[in-house]
Amino acid sequence: QSALTQPASVSGSPGQSITISCTGTSSDVGSYNLVSWYQQHPGKAPKLMIYEGSKRPSGVSNRFSGSKSGNTASLTISGLQAEDEADYYCCSYAGSSTFYVFGTGTKVTVL
Amino acid sequence: EVQLVESGGGLVQPGGSLRLSCAASGFTFSSYWMSWVRQAPGKGLEWVANIKQDGSEKYYVDSVKGRFTISRDNAKNSLYLQMNSLRAEDTAVYYCARVTELSFDIWGQGTMVTVSS
Repeated sequence: QSALTQPASVSGSPGQSITISCTGTSSDVGSYNLVSWYQQHPGKAPKLMIYEGSKRPSGVSNRFSGSKSGNTASLTISGLQAEDEADYYCCSYAGSSTFYVFGTGTKVTVL
Repeated sequence: EVQLVESGGGLVQPGGSLRLSCAASGFTFSSYWMSWVRQAPGKGLEWVANIKQDGSEKYYVDSVKGRFTISRDNAKNSLYLQMNSLRAEDTAVYYCARVTELSFDIWGQGTMVTVSS
């Protein structure tokens, strides 16, 4: 099972919106509405930001939103803030044999 | 406070063994699937293994099948990963994570495993 494809880096100025794509296949992203997104600051554990494609856990800012079209999921960060600078990973459920596949990761830089 | 705390990492020679532990607190451990996820230095995240609430179902990524064993002790609120026949490519930070709605909602701080001679 290959990793989901994400852009290596995305950048934006404070207040802007950015979108991170996550491209999989019909065996993972395309088959299930079970994509989750994680934020990871350097040296820290990942933090769940979005689950089931578009749901936010309690405590996660509504500046973070998720969507999906076909085999590609997306994470949008609106009103970009300095604290959003981090690595972001998508993850998709891929069935009861493979279970989970993560994305390659995207470094978000706030200019 | 909901918390996961890993331990047991360290330096081990290729072919050696190591047992990781994860202590859970602040939630009903026995009600959740649990996972191990690893991250090689400077690399991305990789799901390693899953275990059902009662331990009756276990799943592994292909690269560790036959070498790693996930287990749990609900009486001790603890998750384990027995790692045998370790290889250099197993070098990573290993995180335990709680599974909710097929996503990883709570993570530990991680424990580093280094496989090197």
